[in-house]
Amino acid sequence: LAKTTQPISMDSYEGQEVNITCSHNNIATNDYITWYQQFPSQGPRFIIQGYKTKVTNEVASLFIPADRKSSTLSLPRVSLSDTAVYYCLVGLNTGGFKTIFGAGTRLFVKA
Amino acid sequence: GAVVSQHPSRVICKSGTSVKIECRSLDFQATTMFWYRQFPKQSLMLMATSNEGSKATYEQGVEKDKFLINHASLTLSTLTVTSAHPEDSSFYICSARSPEGDNEQFFGPGTRLTVL
Repeated sequence: LAKTTQPISMDSYEGQEVNITCSHNNIATNDYITWYQQFPSQGPRFIIQGYKTKVTNEVASLFIPADRKSSTLSLPRVSLSDTAVYYCLVGLNTGGFKTIFGAGTRLFVKA
Repeated sequence: GAVVSQHPSRVICKSGTSVKIECRSLDFQATTMFWYRQFPKQSLMLMATSNEGSKATYEQGVEKDKFLINHASLTLSTLTVTSAHPEDSSFYICSARSPEGDNEQFFGPGTRLTVL
């Protein structure tokens, strides 16, 4: 399983764009990159997943360079409610393949 | 998206008792479910992989006799914390992958266990 490295914490202000970068130098050919959001005392919530280049959905964008050794989660115009822990996970995307969580990034959004 | 539920959401028990936590996939069948444990301000730690109709696969360091996992159907997995002690107090989270679409992994809301 590819190990991931993220900043422990980040601060931002409402309305700003937040970019959280994750390093995964030993990502395997078949691995996907997935980001989850977790609020206190809740289960993680899926944000976005990608394999290469750029993926965008209604809540975020995921930028993956050609070498796939890192990825950047971009949250446009954050609000106070985006204060949470964000986890970057790398691994296969099928069946019983287990998901191992890294330390995550604690994002604090200030007014 | 698919929904995974857990019951109970919160439980308080006395030391030495056993507690069962249920994890259900409400609108899809999950041949595999996962159980995690999370201590305050820490990340999720995978405890075991629950396989429908067969024995669970436990991660290194997790006592299989203490954390009993049963996956009796395609929509239900249970975790029983046997002879619970205060150090077992934690937030327990289950997850399951939907076999449809892009195999997105869905997490339950978690169960807060407090052992007195």
